Amino acid sequence: DSQLTQSPSTLSASIGDRVTITCRASQSISSWLAWYQQKPGKGPKLLIYEASNLESGVPSRFSGSGSGTEFTLTISSLQPDDFATYYCHQYNSYFGGGTKVEIK
Amino acid sequence: EVQLVESGGGLVQPGGSLRLSCAASGFTFSTYWMSWVRQAPGKGLEWVANIKGDGGEEYYVDSVKGRFTISRDNAKNSLYLQMNSLRVDDTAVYYCVSSPFWGQGTLVTVSS
Repeated sequence: DSQLTQSPSTLSASIGDRVTITCRASQSISSWLAWYQQKPGKGPKLLIYEASNLESGVPSRFSGSGSGTEFTLTISSLQPDDFATYYCHQYNSYFGGGTKVEIK
Repeated sequence: EVQLVESGGGLVQPGGSLRLSCAASGFTFSTYWMSWVRQAPGKGLEWVANIKGDGGEEYYVDSVKGRFTISRDNAKNSLYLQMNSLRVDDTAVYYCVSSPFWGQGTLVTVSS
């Protein structure tokens, strides 16, 4: 079964920065990958499904790309509401270890 | 609209058992893989188990093998997780997932 390696584990950035998070699968998972945002005390919020599809209601500054074994989540211009932890998730299987986006 | 509603969480002593249920609606339940995911306090998300649409395949994370059993009843659009020999480190919010959709979670606390 494929497992996911997410990097970096922590990211310090400023408002307006472009931010990229990477997720690597140990074997091909086609496009069966989702990205979630989680804030303290809350459940995960779906951002991207099937690797590159923006969930309804999610700001367009979020985008996902990749297929097979390499995936990225990009935030084009970091906003105050974006400071959170982000997880990649192979459908119905393993998670990446998470990336905490902190204020620089 | 996809809906996943978990139930069955609660407080249980170490060594005890608990059965979680998930009621699914808004999609053709029998054709989709389903899974259970958990998050311990202050920790990351952890996949626990999954099961194929027809129930013919199931997989588990190593830490729960032999203790937890995932099952489904497609006639009732329901998913289950039987948890036996519970340990303190099984304490977590447990989520029912049909990727990319999630339920709201149910808290399982294992404590004496």
